[in-house]
Amino acid sequence: EVQLVESGGGLVQPGGSLKLSCAASGFTFSGSAMHWVRQASGRGLEWVGRIRTKANNYATVYGASVKGRFTISRDDSKNTAYLQMNSLKTEDTAVYYCTRPECTGGVCYIQHWGQGTLVTVSS
Amino acid sequence: DIQMTQSPSTLSASVGDRVTITCRASQSISSRLAWYQQKPGKAPKLLIYEASSLESGVPSRFSGSGSGTEFTLTISSLQPDDFATYYCQQYNSYPTWTFGQGTKVEIK
Repeated sequence: EVQLVESGGGLVQPGGSLKLSCAASGFTFSGSAMHWVRQASGRGLEWVGRIRTKANNYATVYGASVKGRFTISRDDSKNTAYLQMNSLKTEDTAVYYCTRPECTGGVCYIQHWGQGTLVTVSS
Repeated sequence: DIQMTQSPSTLSASVGDRVTITCRASQSISSRLAWYQQKPGKAPKLLIYEASSLESGVPSRFSGSGSGTEFTLTISSLQPDDFATYYCQQYNSYPTWTFGQGTKVEIK
């Protein structure tokens, strides 16, 4: 059974930093791209970014609202993905989900979601 | 960027009703559309992918249709467990994903 368990959320002041972790199990983590998706309270879903596998040079890509501030990384030896968030703004307040895609024909949708971790940016 | 628009935003229905939710893309996305169900305090759950393929374990009362820019999610006979918020997602522009704003299905 695929499991994704996020941790590291909490309260941080505007301009601060926070690093989220996503511990994965139940699949070959090193062979899967990983994405982060967030959801502000009472709002819809927003794609944050993706990291590819070692075979694809751990290439990353980010959404426009977080580009230059957020960094996704991974440690395949620990089956863990990370989301480093810097220069946080109040509008970054959200539940952050780690997700594992399922791919077909070179494109991918979300098959598995973690339970989410809440990040609150407030003074 | 591809924009996704769902309608209605809220839908009031009774157990046993047939329910249809619409999702429109700002440009053609072929059949690269997924539907998710989300209950309060929980992560979304995949229902449909490739516009009409039912995810394993999802009840057959859920179905999806459409291609290009217009898509629908249908629940043939609404059950108590189906009261939730539903989101569409396009993945034609992968790795970038965009989601609809959601449709909340409420008890009438």
